[in-house]
Amino acid sequence: AQSVTQPDIHITVSEGASLELRCNYSYGATPYLFWYVQSPGQGLQLLLKYFSGDTLVQGIKGFEAEFKRSQSSFNLRKPSVHWSDAAEYFCAVGQNTGFQKLVFGTGTRLLVSP
Amino acid sequence: DTAVSQTPKYLVTQMGNDKSIKCEQNLGHDTMYWYKQDSKKFLKIMFSYNNKELIINETVPNRFSPKSPDKAHLNLHINSLELGDSAVYFCASSHTHDGGGYTFGSGTRLTVV
Repeated sequence: AQSVTQPDIHITVSEGASLELRCNYSYGATPYLFWYVQSPGQGLQLLLKYFSGDTLVQGIKGFEAEFKRSQSSFNLRKPSVHWSDAAEYFCAVGQNTGFQKLVFGTGTRLLVSP
Repeated sequence: DTAVSQTPKYLVTQMGNDKSIKCEQNLGHDTMYWYKQDSKKFLKIMFSYNNKELIINETVPNRFSPKSPDKAHLNLHINSLELGDSAVYFCASSHTHDGGGYTFGSGTRLTVV
């Protein structure tokens, strides 16, 4: 069964600084990988996804993520954080066969300081 | 607007009551889901329906009964509500097999008192 670990419960970044959120997954084959963002009181919005091909994927709002098979990681990055990026970020893994069942990590809360 | 819409957004009820949450999507997706997000923000799948057929049923008390009248709707009925049922319930939808990721509704915050 697949699983996801997000080792950082919360991270504080200064506005304008770069950001990296960590995600490690466990899955026997090549997984489908996702990053979602949840603003307070809102649902989850898809930032980006990886299925195959180029291991560096671009998403919305200036985010990108890199799939590293050797490290079982799919870290999320942004070169310059804006105050509006403060939210909860979830990494998720899905199986690449059959019906999709996304398994989510426990989330990382991003705080942006002035 | 194309979206996944859930009603109600907030639900406060007493222990022992029965309540329902409705979900509708107009994205043309053929698979719908219910997820539960607990107080620590952990998201766990409860059910999944594909073209009205139940395909995923995680370890969920049988007080929870999903119903899918058609592939655009997935409702969740909860009997004999307990304090531990308090959570945010999210509906989501996707296309089967294309791995496109889910589109989520905005959630229903259920509080059992």
